[in-house]
Amino acid sequence: EPEVTQTPSHQVTQMGQEVILRCVPISNHLYFYWYRQILGQKVEFLVSFYNNEISEKSEIFDDQFSVERPDGSNFTLKIRSTKLEDSAMYFCASSGLAGEEDTQYFGPGTRLTVL
Amino acid sequence: AQSVSQHNHHVILSEAASLELGCNYSYGGTVNLFWYVQYPGQHLQLLLKYFSGDPLVKGIKGFEAEFIKSKFSFNLRKPSVQWSDTAEYFCAVNIYNQGGKLIFGQGTELSVKP
Repeated sequence: EPEVTQTPSHQVTQMGQEVILRCVPISNHLYFYWYRQILGQKVEFLVSFYNNEISEKSEIFDDQFSVERPDGSNFTLKIRSTKLEDSAMYFCASSGLAGEEDTQYFGPGTRLTVL
Repeated sequence: AQSVSQHNHHVILSEAASLELGCNYSYGGTVNLFWYVQYPGQHLQLLLKYFSGDPLVKGIKGFEAEFIKSKFSFNLRKPSVQWSDTAEYFCAVNIYNQGGKLIFGQGTELSVKP
């Protein structure tokens, strides 16, 4: 069964450093998403991406964040200058199989620790 | 703004007990409703979903959920839980037919004692 994959599984970085989180969505899916979950809190939407552009973003997704689909398979989330409060689990999801556009499938997550 | 509430943060049951996890949402229009499960150390997996039609939906592993529109609820049930059901359960909604963001509840941790 096709799966969303994410790398790395755990990333430790110093405050102020740039990080790139990588995701490989399910092949043939058209919509891509990033969510995050700070420890003990809800899973929160960050951004959705369709047709090579951002379709929606949350208030959390400020100028420090960017997303890219650099090739036909990868979908990346970049945080330009990490802050302590960016420490969280980051989940990638994809959807868009015909007739299943609203069903999102999640990757295993990347745990980001900012020191 | 849309929101999702899950009433129980942590539920502890013995094997064979019945389960019901509450989920309420606030949104005036048509929504899609989901339950996701996260087993320890694993990723979020889709348990079941409701888009339209029969308000009682069946998912994997013997789970079902009932959409009650008048109560804005989508409660998850299982008649007899197993130790392997120990996991965190998340209710989520998105706006019908817009393929958009999921709004999650805070999650319910289920512990099943053998």
